[in-house]
Amino acid sequence: NAGVTQTPKFQVLKTGQSMTLQCAQDMNHEYMSWYRQDPGMGLRLIHYSVGAGITDQGEVPNGYNVSRSTTEDFPLRLLSAAPSQTSVYFCASSLLWGLSGANVLTFGAGSRLTVL
Amino acid sequence: GDSVTQMEGPVTLSEEAFLTINCTYTATGYPSLFWYVQYPGEGLQLLLKATKADDKGSNKGFEATYRKETTSFHLEKGSVQVSDSAVYFCALSVSGNNRLAFGKGNQVVVIP
Repeated sequence: NAGVTQTPKFQVLKTGQSMTLQCAQDMNHEYMSWYRQDPGMGLRLIHYSVGAGITDQGEVPNGYNVSRSTTEDFPLRLLSAAPSQTSVYFCASSLLWGLSGANVLTFGAGSRLTVL
Repeated sequence: GDSVTQMEGPVTLSEEAFLTINCTYTATGYPSLFWYVQYPGEGLQLLLKATKADDKGSNKGFEATYRKETTSFHLEKGSVQVSDSAVYFCALSVSGNNRLAFGKGNQVVVIP
């Protein structure tokens, strides 16, 4: 029972490099999301998806792209990394809002990204 | 917009002390309210929730009551243990919004 799996756990990039943070869940959750966690800022929503082929922007989407080609996977892409994107990134999933048991997010263990 | 406000600063207390973490919210609809906990080096996990006014959520000795009149959802535990040391986040969601808004979190350190 893997839950939400994020890779890599740690990554160091140089400014301008690109990379993809991977997120996979095995709970058949329709809803998936990406948050970033910064000191004193709490968690801020980057992008989310309510099903395959459907994505939407959250609170801080600039500099990030997402796609949802399958129910299981929701990768987060940084096309040109900037030092301001140094953060801990969390992927989270759940059943759709409004269904029984919905709204309770299951989080991955996080990916710590440093941009030099 | 919908938002959550948590009390400022870390909380340091001795084992077996009483813990309170304040949380107030602003929402346009009728939100569901949550407390999530993050242990060192881990992702967040649900601690408790309440979906309507006057509901009380409870888990692992923690309690929080959904107070619509004061727009609050304060977290309490009567006797904390060292193992309760973690970061605690208050959060809300509004039906149909597809978003969960988090507070900034409170670091709780319990000293033996």
